[in-house]
Amino acid sequence: GAVVSQHPSRVICKSGTSVKIECRSLDFQATTMFWYRQFPKQSLMLMATSNEGSKATYEQGVEKDKFLINHASLTLSTLTVTSAHPEDSSFYICSAMAGGTTDTQYFGPGTRLTVL
Amino acid sequence: DAKTTQPPSMDCAEGRAANLPCNHSTISGNEYVYWYRQIHSQGPQYIIHGLKNNETNEMASLIITEDRKSSTLILPHATLRDTAVYYCIVTNFGNEKLTFGTGTRLTIIP
Repeated sequence: GAVVSQHPSRVICKSGTSVKIECRSLDFQATTMFWYRQFPKQSLMLMATSNEGSKATYEQGVEKDKFLINHASLTLSTLTVTSAHPEDSSFYICSAMAGGTTDTQYFGPGTRLTVL
Repeated sequence: DAKTTQPPSMDCAEGRAANLPCNHSTISGNEYVYWYRQIHSQGPQYIIHGLKNNETNEMASLIITEDRKSSTLILPHATLRDTAVYYCIVTNFGNEKLTFGTGTRLTIIP
């Protein structure tokens, strides 16, 4: 149980284009989903927290207009990197939490974004 | 959230028990200890968590000291597939945020 998927697993795009990454909880309903970013040889950094049906809460230094997050259902959250630039190239990882008594985050496999 | 301190790297022979320490001397009474691991180029995998009692599941055992200022993750019979970066994280139950440190890079040696 507690499986989280991400799509795509890898994406290469040109500078200035937008990229959408999907995160799905496959066997549970996620009241809260999180988006992390990981640069090479570094640890995961939380970007934002999203609760189903409400606006995401962004961490300090993360541009909300650049990283659009939508959590429209209890099993799907999307992250859109708008007008991507080479410095946005990174490993983007989502996690999902059911909440209640099972308050554990389960992570997706990650999406490798390369902006040329 | 309380900060954790872990050794940057460890080696363990295949088939032996891997014991990964974590110090969290500023942990507060309502904070849990969580362990995740990240295999190269994959998302983190949940291993185990606990509050004050020792915990065991199919993957590992978690030993928390009586004063809760440190803990040890035990992989009883390490295999090559256990090579990963292991993260010890303390967080309030319901706080939701996980702050990842630098973790311990565990290498299982054949």
